[in-house]
Amino acid sequence: NAGVTQTPKFRILKIGQSMTLQCTQDMNHNYMYWYRQDPGMGLKLIYYSVGAGITDKGEVPNGYNVSRSTTEDFPLRLELAAPSQTSVYFCASSLEGFYYGYTFGSGTRLTVV
Amino acid sequence: EDKVVQSPLSLVVHEGDTVTLNCSYEVTNFRSLLWYKQEKKAPTFLFMLTSSGIEKKSGRLSSILDKKELFSILNITATQTGDSAVYLCAVEARWSGGGADGLTFGKGTHLIIQP
Repeated sequence: NAGVTQTPKFRILKIGQSMTLQCTQDMNHNYMYWYRQDPGMGLKLIYYSVGAGITDKGEVPNGYNVSRSTTEDFPLRLELAAPSQTSVYFCASSLEGFYYGYTFGSGTRLTVV
Repeated sequence: EDKVVQSPLSLVVHEGDTVTLNCSYEVTNFRSLLWYKQEKKAPTFLFMLTSSGIEKKSGRLSSILDKKELFSILNITATQTGDSAVYLCAVEARWSGGGADGLTFGKGTHLIIQP
């Protein structure tokens, strides 16, 4: 049982480049989330999804896009990367909603130079 | 593999009670332990603990870390209905250069305070 798998673990992007952070879960969780973790700032929600085909913005969605074509996958797309997007990104999933316990991925460290 | 285990997974108490939430961990190159409160979709930072035996306090909430026994507790005294939330524990490991900052989360404790 893999849980939540994020790839890549580490990436360096140049300003203006694009990339997709992958997130897959095998627990049949309907809720999935993308967070970013900045030093001393705690987690901030970027986007979330309550099921396949449904996504919604979180606290800091600008510069990102998501899609949820299947229950298992919730990729996060960065278009035109900027230095302000240097952060650690965490994907999480839960059953029904956050009250039912989260499972977090191991994170992706992204540096934009 | 780094691991963080929180207990209990859920807890229902009455207003005014005192609760203790537990977090045990197994990580390589421990750096800090963090507690978050989650009421909506983004967790709110509560405490960061790096040293054993030093209690951190904020109002009715307090937390302490035991690095020898590898656990932390979060206490809430005189609970109020507004304390109802999911409480997340996360442990940060020193980044070895091979990936993310080594932040490993527990599954959370769902705390419900009944009037």
